[in-house]
Parts: sequence; C-alpha cells; structure tokens
Amino acid sequence: AQSVAQPEDQVNVAEGNPLTVKCTYSVSGNPYLFWYVQYPNRGLQFLLKYITGDNLVKGSYGFEAEFNKSQTSFHLKKPSALVSDSALYFCAVRGLYSGAGSYQLTFGKGTKLSVIP
Amino acid sequence: DAGITQSPRYKITETGRQVTLMCHQTWSHSYMFWYRQDLGHGLRLIYYSAAADITDKGEVPDGYVVSRSKTENFPLTLESATRSQTSVYFCASSGGTDTQYFGPGTRLTVL
Repeated sequence: AQSVAQPEDQVNVAEGNPLTVKCTYSVSGNPYLFWYVQYPNRGLQFLLKYITGDNLVKGSYGFEAEFNKSQTSFHLKKPSALVSDSALYFCAVRGLYSGAGSYQLTFGKGTKLSVIP
Repeated sequence: DAGITQSPRYKITETGRQVTLMCHQTWSHSYMFWYRQDLGHGLRLIYYSAAADITDKGEVPDGYVVSRSKTENFPLTLESATRSQTSVYFCASSGGTDTQYFGPGTRLTVL
C-alpha cells in the first residue's frame, strides 16, 4: 500500500524568507509525486509533479520541490515567501502499477502554510 | 465554460434522505474521481472511474453509489445520508497524464 506523510500540520514563515513544506512517502517501485495547493473555499490546484529525471522540479508560482529517493522525500520549497502563499498544501503519491486503479492518488493530510507579513 | 464543475456548491439535507452530487468535465478525460475532505484526514478516495461504464471502489466507498453513463458526467449518490457523511466533496478528472484536476467542491451538511 502507498502512503504519504506530511509531518507538520502548520508551518509559519515570515514574508520574504524561504519556506519548506515537508513530505515523505512510501510506495512500491518508482513513485509519481505531486504537490497541490488549496486556497480557502476552493478546490485543489496542481502545483508540480515529479515523474522521472531531474530531482529538482519547478512548478507554478515560483515553487519547486526536491525529490530524494534515499530519504523517500519530496519537500516543497520556495526561495522567498509571499503572504499570498498562505494556503493548505497537499502532497500526493501514485505508484507504478497496472490496472484501472493505476491513476489513484494517495494524499497526505495537508500542511497549513501561514506567511506572516 | 471549459473545465470541471460541481453542483450544488452547498447542500443541507436530513438524515436518511437521498442526495446526488453532480460532476461535469468538458475535457473528455477518461478518468474521474470522487474524494471527500475531512479535517485530520486530508482527501480520501470514494470511487473512481476509468471510462464510461467502468467504476471501482476507493478507500471509503460505503454509503455511496456512482454511475458513469457518459464520459463527461460522474454523479455521486448518497442513498441514505448519515451525519458522518457531512464533508466537503471534490470531483477530479485526469486525461491519463497523471495530473488530476479538481472541481470547486460541494459542501454537504447532513442534519
């Protein structure tokens, strides 16, 4: 079974400082990894994904994530946080297996990011 | 408008009533999904569909029924609503490129 852990329920960071939202995963084989963001009363928006290739993935709104296979981690980062980045962030994983369920994602419980002015 | 829509956006119902949540996508995506979002649980998959007339259970299917007679629609029915089904429900679709695209959600309250 695949699983995702987001060890921090909340992350607070000052505006302009770098931010990191942590994610670790467990899956059979090579993972497909995703980050989504959810603003209040909105659906989830896709930020970025890792499938293969470069371990540093760049996504929307200046976010990037680093895939670390040995640590089974996929931390989300941004060099300089904005107040508008305040939202709920979800990490998700999909394993490589065949069948109709191949596209199922397993989500972490989410991390609330608060950027303080 | 292109994209994925859900209706209604808000629904209040009573225990024991049948409720249907609608999901419609205009991308002709093969895959569609229903999730529920609850505090402390993140998103949990209820049902998914790989194509029209092909559906399968996810992590928390009990009390829910789905159908998919057309590619673009994937309704979720609560046959006899219970208070534990009070939640925010999200529909998503994927064209097979791995990325899932989410609708705006339906906030359901069961009294």
